[in-house]
This record gives sequence, C-alpha cells and structure tokens, in this order.
Amino acid sequence: DTEVTQTPKHLVMGMTNKKSLKCEQHMGHRAMYWYKQKAKKPPELMFVYSYEKLSINESVPSRFSPECPNSSLLNLHLHALQPEDSALYLCASSPRWTYEQYFGPGTRLTVT
Amino acid sequence: ELKVEQNPLFLSMQEGKNYTIYCNYSTTSDRLYWYRQDPGKSLESLFVLLSNGAVKQEGRLMASLDTKARLSTLHITAAVHDLSATYFCAGSEDTDKLIFGTGTRLQVFP
Repeated sequence: DTEVTQTPKHLVMGMTNKKSLKCEQHMGHRAMYWYKQKAKKPPELMFVYSYEKLSINESVPSRFSPECPNSSLLNLHLHALQPEDSALYLCASSPRWTYEQYFGPGTRLTVT
Repeated sequence: ELKVEQNPLFLSMQEGKNYTIYCNYSTTSDRLYWYRQDPGKSLESLFVLLSNGAVKQEGRLMASLDTKARLSTLHITAAVHDLSATYFCAGSEDTDKLIFGTGTRLQVFP
C-alpha cells in the first residue's frame, strides 16, 4: 500500500456540529501532517505528529483538535467551526529519511 | 522566518515552448521541494532538492537549486497540454515544517 487515504471526501457541517476527519497510511511512515488549503492559496501547515507525538502546532484554534491513535492513523476533530474554516484539508505522511511528504486526496470541508 | 516567493503567479504558454518558474526564499532552507496540483486535487511530489547545485529531471520538467542565491528553478521543455496545473515550490525550516510559495498557475494552449 503506497498511498495516503482520507475520509470523507466531502463534508458539510453546521457551526454547532462535531465531526472528525480521518487519515490513514500503511507505508510505515512515522511523521504525519495536517494542512489547510484555501482556494487559490498554498497549503498551510496546521499540525505535525512525529512518532505519534504532537511535535508542531502552528497556533491553530482549539476548535481543531488532532489525534494520533497509532502510527498509521491521524484524526482531526472539528467542533464549533466558523464559515471561514471552509477549505480543503490535506493529510500527508513522511518516512522522514527521504524528506518527502506524500499527500492524501484531501477532505473538502464546507461550514454553513 | 522562512518566506518563499514564486514568479510568475500565472503563466500561459504555447505548446512546444520552453519556460522557467522561479522560486526565491528568504533564509537558509535545508531543502527545496516542487509539487504539482491539478484543480480540485491533492499535491503530487515532483522533486526534492537537497544540496547546492542539485539538478533533477523528470520528463519535460527539470528542477535546480542554487543555495547561495537562494533560488530554485523549474524549467519546462517543449510544453504539452498535460502539464497544465498549479506548481508550488516549498522550503523547509526544519525536518517537518514546509513553507509553500504562492504557486504558479500554468496553462498550456495549442
């Protein structure tokens, strides 16, 4: 298995909802990432997990809560989001020794 | 703090022509990445450049890195329509933190 998978592909949620995004990889990569990408903008790093520990939090609002239950799985829990949080959320993983980051297909989130 | 700038932001080129996308970065970057993104899709890794003078080629794309000038280039040779996409360069502040440039939207027309 040589890919990063993300579910769901699309998500529409209200501002009072709680939802979660899921990311999975079975390549044995020990670093996993969440990025946010607004339309026609570059991706912006949100969180990094290295060996299942949170190593970077780019001052992301607490309504976004990451979780890494094991080395293959990364979740992003969403609560009380705002319409401006609507974006493409990308997960990536890296074996680190090649320095490459491999991106999943993304979840397109719309907050109404 | 690392800043990455790309130019041009938009590039419309005719099939068969050559062109170069430029990526400048503000401070030392351990390595330089190039990614491709098709509309509504994810990012595809094209190149990772690790050292000064590094040059990598894949098909009609060639990337190079000059760390002294803090400049990377992505050269397109004999463009074809399939190369139409947005291209991002990214530098790294540390092993895990990528800082992306603004992106160059490339359109190749007949």
